[in-house]
Amino acid sequence: QQQVKQSPQSLIVQKGGISIINCAYENTAFDYFPWYQQFPGKGPALLIAIRPDVSEKKEGRFTISFNKSAKQFSLHIMDSQPGDSATYFCAASRGSARQLTFGSGTQLTVLP
Amino acid sequence: SQTIHQWPATLVQPVGSPLSLECTVEGTSNPNLYWYRQAAGRGLQLLFYSVGIGQISSEVPQNLSASRPQDRQFILSSKKLLLSDSGFYLCAWSVLSSAFFGQGTRLTVV
Repeated sequence: QQQVKQSPQSLIVQKGGISIINCAYENTAFDYFPWYQQFPGKGPALLIAIRPDVSEKKEGRFTISFNKSAKQFSLHIMDSQPGDSATYFCAASRGSARQLTFGSGTQLTVLP
Repeated sequence: SQTIHQWPATLVQPVGSPLSLECTVEGTSNPNLYWYRQAAGRGLQLLFYSVGIGQISSEVPQNLSASRPQDRQFILSSKKLLLSDSGFYLCAWSVLSSAFFGQGTRLTVV
């Protein structure tokens, strides 16, 4: 019940295309859902986050869609660029300590 | 602004040797602190978290321990490293909901 399931494991998109990564969770105690971007050899960087009382959040080319009833959320990257090539992790947090449970990651490759 | 420092960046240690990784946060008070481990090509696994000085919670029983001797200092230790301890260790902090990560330590146990 602590798991966050992420798909696909890898994704290849042409420059200018839309990248879509999906996550699902079971524990309804989760109340904060961030996405992280990680480049090789670096720590994950917070990209965008959403709370379950909001169905969509957009920041620049990045959008989170959240479906509370289905317990699913997704990251959309519009106009994908080669510089977006990285590993993306969804996560969920709960409780006073706000510890994060991560998905398994999606390796995104954007072809020029 | 807040910054997190984690060192060393890379470390090669023999099996059975001790380990000490240190993490410090600047620009904030009373943060929640975390240690995560990331195996090659895998997701992040929470090892320890702390909500205050001397308060440590362990998520996964293992060969490692953590301590928080000061408000903004978090230390990951081991008395005797195992081959399976190899990985990418990440320290993180949060005050509200968002967590921010250090640049990690690549540990190779040989």
